[in-house]
Amino acid sequence: GAGVSQSPSNKVTEKGKDVELRCDPISGHTALYWYRQSLGQGLEFLIYFQGNSAPDKSGLPSDRFSAERTGGSVSTLTIQRTQQEDSAVYLCASSAKGQGDGYEQYFGPGTRLTVT
Amino acid sequence: GQQLNQSPQSMFIQEGEDVSMNCTSSSIFNTWLWYKQDPGEGPVLLIALYKAGELTSNGRLTAQFGITRKDSFLNISASIPSDVGIYFCAGQLRRDDKIIFGKGTRLHILP
Repeated sequence: GAGVSQSPSNKVTEKGKDVELRCDPISGHTALYWYRQSLGQGLEFLIYFQGNSAPDKSGLPSDRFSAERTGGSVSTLTIQRTQQEDSAVYLCASSAKGQGDGYEQYFGPGTRLTVT
Repeated sequence: GQQLNQSPQSMFIQEGEDVSMNCTSSSIFNTWLWYKQDPGEGPVLLIALYKAGELTSNGRLTAQFGITRKDSFLNISASIPSDVGIYFCAGQLRRDDKIIFGKGTRLHILP
């Protein structure tokens, strides 16, 4: 079946502009995650949605970052007044209960954001 | 907060060699996961571990969930060129908790 999709795949924006990044999770997955990956670096957790629970926003780096998940499916990550240090690949993942007691994440291909 | 320390940060090996990398945590996890990321793509799950002491294989890959619940290792036997990439460990405490990632081990295979 279809995997996690993200759009756009690449986004170039000018410093100070707002951007919206979209994630379509796997159908039926209750959990959705956003991560940021800078060049050559690991995955930095941003935000986590699980079902109808309040999202875990503990990873958002500043109040310029926000995310929504509408109808328990599609999610949008919004970055306001972008800065050059926001340049990175933004990865989305979704998960559902797998074997045992754990959840297995499936990642999208990412959106590469470049702020000029 | 919880942190994962993954080592080594990078490895340079000859084709055919075995590879070992590990991950340690300052606190326990009840799930350990290992992912591989190829350039320009998102990470892909390799192995999931759910029980302390569990040893699981996936082809040439073997991973173990440490008895203390604070560590895990991944071994790759007889490396081949397509093994090149970044390997991430990840941990989860409870079923509905967020998943925490290590910083990755970058595997390079020398020509």
